Amino acid sequence: QLLLQESGPGLVKPSETLSLTCTVSGVSITSSSYYWGWIRQPPGKGLDWIGSIYYSGSTYYNPSLKSRVTISVDTSKNQFSLKLSSVTAADTAVFYCARHVRCSKCEIDFWGRGTLVTVSS
Amino acid sequence: NFMLTQPHSVSESPGKTVTISCTRSSGSIASNYVQWYQQRPGSSPTTVIYEDNDRPSGVPDRFSGSIDSSSNSASLTISGLKTEDEADYYCQSYDDSNAVFGGGTQLTVL
Repeated sequence: QLLLQESGPGLVKPSETLSLTCTVSGVSITSSSYYWGWIRQPPGKGLDWIGSIYYSGSTYYNPSLKSRVTISVDTSKNQFSLKLSSVTAADTAVFYCARHVRCSKCEIDFWGRGTLVTVSS
Repeated sequence: NFMLTQPHSVSESPGKTVTISCTRSSGSIASNYVQWYQQRPGSSPTTVIYEDNDRPSGVPDRFSGSIDSSSNSASLTISGLKTEDEADYYCQSYDDSNAVFGGGTQLTVL
């Protein structure tokens, strides 16, 4: 049974770097045809794709966030991670990790439960 | 880059049929697959339609998807509405540089 679990600080100060990790269980992160992604959802608003990564390390980012985003993978731990730098209050959101099927931006078939990150001093 | 535009909200009575539209601002709607996700309050999204018109196992056939190149839009149709269908629905597609979600449609079944 596939499970994706986000972890990381729930509170980040403005101008600092937000760091989250997604632990994947139930399937190897090196399985072919799957890409591992991050999506965020500000409170009361819609979904915003941040980016995704293949187990080889190839990354794909939302152009509007690319300058601030780094996604990495640790196959030994079956985890992938998100770093978002220079955060502001506008980055406050529920962050979901998820699995893309077939391509880096294609259908998402599994989502984590999400974790709320608040940017505030 | 492109945008996907959805109506902010729709409402319909139980047992009726509702259609939610998703219009692509640039580039052909047929050039990349469209997905539809259902999100109930406090929960993660789940897929109800993928690759324009396919249903994951477990999704009832009351849910169907289509695309219309003439209007450059995709549609999600839910027939035989049930109160449990009340949720937010998001369309999603992509191009070479980005994955894009529509703004979401709040479905009220009353």
